[in-house]
Amino acid sequence: GAVVSQHPSWVICKSGTSVKIECRSLDFQATTMFWYRQFPKQSLMLMATSNEGSKATYEQGVEKDKFLINHASLTLSTLTVTSAHPEDSSFYICSARTGFTGELFFGEGSRLTVL
Amino acid sequence: AQTVTQSQPEMSVQEAETVTLSCTYDTSESDYYLFWYKQPPSRQMILVIRQEAYKQQNATENRFSVNFQKAAKSFSLKISDSQLGDAAMYFCALLGFGNEKLTFGTGTRLTIIP
Repeated sequence: GAVVSQHPSWVICKSGTSVKIECRSLDFQATTMFWYRQFPKQSLMLMATSNEGSKATYEQGVEKDKFLINHASLTLSTLTVTSAHPEDSSFYICSARTGFTGELFFGEGSRLTVL
Repeated sequence: AQTVTQSQPEMSVQEAETVTLSCTYDTSESDYYLFWYKQPPSRQMILVIRQEAYKQQNATENRFSVNFQKAAKSFSLKISDSQLGDAAMYFCALLGFGNEKLTFGTGTRLTIIP
């Protein structure tokens, strides 16, 4: 199957700093990428949908200025958590698809810990 | 709006036995996909099985099969001959053709008893 890679897999940062998480589709072109957040022992909550070359569409309640999403190419989307605070600590997962095949391919996830 | 409900937070099954995980959903979409994903301790989401809503035949993937009841909006997962490696969190999910959003249920933690 198609491979989606996230980097870094684990990041620790100080409160007030910004952190960038990358999501890459390694062997296919991803027209659409999705970013999810998962709290411990909970389900995945969709944060935003990004299409290559256009602005991301954020879900209700997700702060656009805090979670900056860029989808500059067909193989790369980035999530930047700006001015991170301890409550932003979570597991962030990206997924990607090409066209509308009905299947999403997930990255390995990135664990963010804000001290 | 679309919702996915998993009413079993935890399930356990004896190794080699069969277990069924429940899922119900609601959507206004006429065309949609349903999925079961597995999330092991590594947290990597793994697709277990997929069902197109327009197909009447239940999907099957080796030891995994679904019971898709469209009228009842039910989509259960049956795991036969359970193995230790099946232990994980299982999420039911729905993807609507119209809104293109994948909505997850709250998950069922499956434990395999040796």
